[in-house]
Formats: sequence, structure tokens, C-alpha cells
Amino acid sequence: SYVLTQPPSVSAAPGQTATITCGGNNIGRKSVHWYQQKPGQAPLLVVYDDSDRPSGIPERFSGFNSGNTATLTISRVEGGDEADYYCQLWDSSSEHVVFGGGTKLTVL
Amino acid sequence: QVQLVQSGAEVTKPGASVKVSCKASGYSFDTFGITWVRQAPGQGLQWMGWLSAYNGDTNSAQSLQGRLTMTTDTSTRTAYMELKSLTSDDTGVYYCARGGGNSGYDFWGQGTLVTVSS
Repeated sequence: SYVLTQPPSVSAAPGQTATITCGGNNIGRKSVHWYQQKPGQAPLLVVYDDSDRPSGIPERFSGFNSGNTATLTISRVEGGDEADYYCQLWDSSSEHVVFGGGTKLTVL
Repeated sequence: QVQLVQSGAEVTKPGASVKVSCKASGYSFDTFGITWVRQAPGQGLQWMGWLSAYNGDTNSAQSLQGRLTMTTDTSTRTAYMELKSLTSDDTGVYYCARGGGNSGYDFWGQGTLVTVSS
């Protein structure tokens, strides 16, 4: 089955840039979605189809996908960005959805 | 506005079943699929399965096949997830979300805590 690999944790100081990676075999050929989840809350879609943002998501959130790595970049990090982030895609070969293991973003 | 409202917390015993509902509003119900995702305490998100609100087609995770049943009632705009033969490993928060297949999930229910304990 298809596996998505995320670093367990990432940290960034306020105002700096945080980069969260999601690795998978030829992931660049698939559409990747990203979710933010704060404690006790449901996940929130922040990027879909590799690089598009849903309405209401700040431009500070951006995505890129190529080769074997998809990336979520959060510019000008704020304290409110501290959360767990998950990548997700549809694996057409298995017809199953796959989530990455999640990355905890700590704002220093 | 789009809303998915789930049923309340459940406490159940090993070997029993649980049924969680997800009532949709604010959009054309049969235009989107409903996906079920669960999260064990302190763990990540696990995709459970998806069903089409249009024709009832379903697709579920291999690990849950045989125990998971997903249905919809279009007259009440409600989706249901039933999980049978529960064990303590099924304890967690269960979410419904709008979307399926290759799409991102743009709206989520508030989550339903299911506790399996003897």
C-alpha cells in the first residue's frame, strides 16, 4: 500500500517560514491535500490539489508537489499556526485514501 | 452555510456495535460523497471509507472490511457509519467529512467520541 512520510515535528519562530514535507513514491503525479488540526478540533483543509487554497485560508499557506515530495509552506508564522498538519491523497492503484502520519508545528 | 452535525458520544462494550450519524445541511446532499475518518487518542488520522450520497456506492479501508457499514438517508440528508465487533483499538474520535475519491475534504463534522471499554 502507498505510504506517506512526514517528519514528526517542525519548529519555527514567529515571522519565520515553516516547511512541512510529505514524501511518497512519485507523489508529484498525485493530487495532495493538507489539513491543519488544533487540539480538540476537527481537521481544517488548508491546501487542496497540491497548491490551491480554500476560501478563507490566508495566502501565507502555500503548497508545492513534485517528484517524491510534496511541501506545505507557512510564511510569516504566527502563534495561531501551532497545530498538527497532515498530508493526504487518493491512491488510484488501491482506490484508497492515504494520510501522512502528521507533523506537529511548534511556534517558538 | 455548509454544516455536518454528528451524533453524541458513545460508550460501548467489546464485541458490540456502534452507529454514528452525520446530518448535512447547506448544500445539495447528493452532489458530494461523505467520507469517514477516525483518530485514536494521541494518534493520526485514519481513513475509514467513503460513500456516494448520489447512488450509495461505498469504498472502505481493507482493515475494516467486514466490520464497517456506511449508509445514507437522502430524505433526512443524513449519513450513517456502523462499526461492528468493537475492540478497545476502536476507541477514538470519529469524523464525517464532505468529499470523496480524489477531492480534499472541505467541511467536517465536529467529531464523535467512541469509547470501547468493558
